[in-house]
Amino acid sequence: DQQVKQNSPSLSVQEGRISILNCDYTNSMFDYFLWYKKYPAEGPTFLISISSIKDKNEDGRFTVFLNKSAKHLSLHIVPSQPGDSAVYFCAASTTNAGGTSYGKLTFGQGTILTVHP
Amino acid sequence: DAGVIQSPRHEVTEMGQEVTLRCKPISGHDYLFWYRQTMMRGLELLIYFNNNVPIDDSGMPEDRFSAKMPNASFSTLKIQPSEPRDSAVYFCASRKVGSNQPQHFGDGTRLSIL
Repeated sequence: DQQVKQNSPSLSVQEGRISILNCDYTNSMFDYFLWYKKYPAEGPTFLISISSIKDKNEDGRFTVFLNKSAKHLSLHIVPSQPGDSAVYFCAASTTNAGGTSYGKLTFGQGTILTVHP
Repeated sequence: DAGVIQSPRHEVTEMGQEVTLRCKPISGHDYLFWYRQTMMRGLELLIYFNNNVPIDDSGMPEDRFSAKMPNASFSTLKIQPSEPRDSAVYFCASRKVGSNQPQHFGDGTRLSIL
C-alpha cells in the first residue's frame, strides 16, 4: 500500500514560470511533511518541510502548502530555474513520540521536473 | 560540515559474494537510516537506529541482509549471500533528535550483482 503518492511522474516547465508539484497521502497519523530534491548520482537533499499545525511554509522561491482535510500537499517553485531540474520526492512522517514509527519517513515515487531555458 | 559519507560509491560483484556497505553519519546525529532505491519500489526504508540501537528492521527484505552500528560514527549494511535482485542504490541518512528534524542523505552506493 502506497501511503504517499506522487501521481505525476514528470513535469515540464518554462524557465521563469511556476512549477507545482503535488503529493497525496492516506495515513492520517502523518503530521510532518518534507520535500527532497535529488540530482543524478547524488543523495536526496532536504528542501523544505511543513508541520501539520501549519498550512503554508515559505523559503525563498519554494513554498509548501498543506491541505489536511484533502490529505494533499504541494510544492510551488517561483520562478523556476533550469538548475531546479531534478527529481522531487515528497515524504511524510509521524512525530508522535514513542513507537517504531517515530522519525521514519515514507516517500512518494518522485516527480521528474524539467525546467526549459 | 561534512555530510553523510558512504563507501564504496560503486560496487560490482558476483552473485553469492558477501557485500558490505559502509556509512559515517553526521557528527552529533542520533538517528541513522538505511534505504534502498529501485525503479520498482522507489525509496524504501530498510532499518533505522537510534543511539546505535536498531529500532525498526521491518523493512529488511530477508535474513541475507544485516545491519550493525558498533558506534555513533559508523554503520554497516551487509548482504550475504548477494543475489542479482539486490542490485539497487543504497542510501544512508542521519538526523538529530527532535521531532521536526530532517534526514540528511549520503550520495549512496550503487550496487550491481552479476
